[in-house]
Amino acid sequence: RKEVEQDPGPFNVPEGATVAFNCTYSNSASQSFFWYRQDCRKEPKLLMSVYSSGNEDGRFTAQLNRASQYISLLIRDSKLSDSATYLCVVNQDYNQGGKLIFGQGTELSVKP
Amino acid sequence: ETGVTQTPRHLVMGMTNKKSLKCEQHLGHNAMYWYKQSAKKPLELMFVYSLEERVENNSVPSRFSPECPNSSHLFLHLHTLQPEDSALYLCASSQDLGFSYEQYFGPGTRLTVT
Repeated sequence: RKEVEQDPGPFNVPEGATVAFNCTYSNSASQSFFWYRQDCRKEPKLLMSVYSSGNEDGRFTAQLNRASQYISLLIRDSKLSDSATYLCVVNQDYNQGGKLIFGQGTELSVKP
Repeated sequence: ETGVTQTPRHLVMGMTNKKSLKCEQHLGHNAMYWYKQSAKKPLELMFVYSLEERVENNSVPSRFSPECPNSSHLFLHLHTLQPEDSALYLCASSQDLGFSYEQYFGPGTRLTVT
């Protein structure tokens, strides 16, 4: 089983659509969780951290279910500029802090 | 953005060459990382440095040799690479090691081994 597994994608959606990405992780000792965004041929950048209580940042909502070891990202009212690959990232327990484990990414393409 | 810079941005090298990748962070961070990103695969952590001490070597072949002379600079020395080592090599930094610290990535070096 992969340590972090995401929807395979790609997701092709029209502008204005709502799209949801799912992610599962295998290590129950994982301590913190993130969504990163990676544009084509660019470096990953942090989109948002994910908290147990759920958190929202504008059109983006992230949820964490520790019991099910499941993370989600919801994007409402998709924009063309949201087209990118979305990386689910888990920070595992590790002797001196954190070790980021990346999912393989889910590609999103928003069309006019 | 110039928080984390990497040079060169592109590199083509033969299997017998020796080259080095350079990373510099201007953020005052204490931890630095090397990642490998191959096509259609997740990012793979290669090395972690904290305050210039290596704290993680993620079963990386010895043909990759990291060096961290100070907390702002990180190098990856390459020698006798294989074609399967062709990938995007990303450097990152964070304030410290820790579960919640955001990692900031450089633009990467796209390496092709011929």
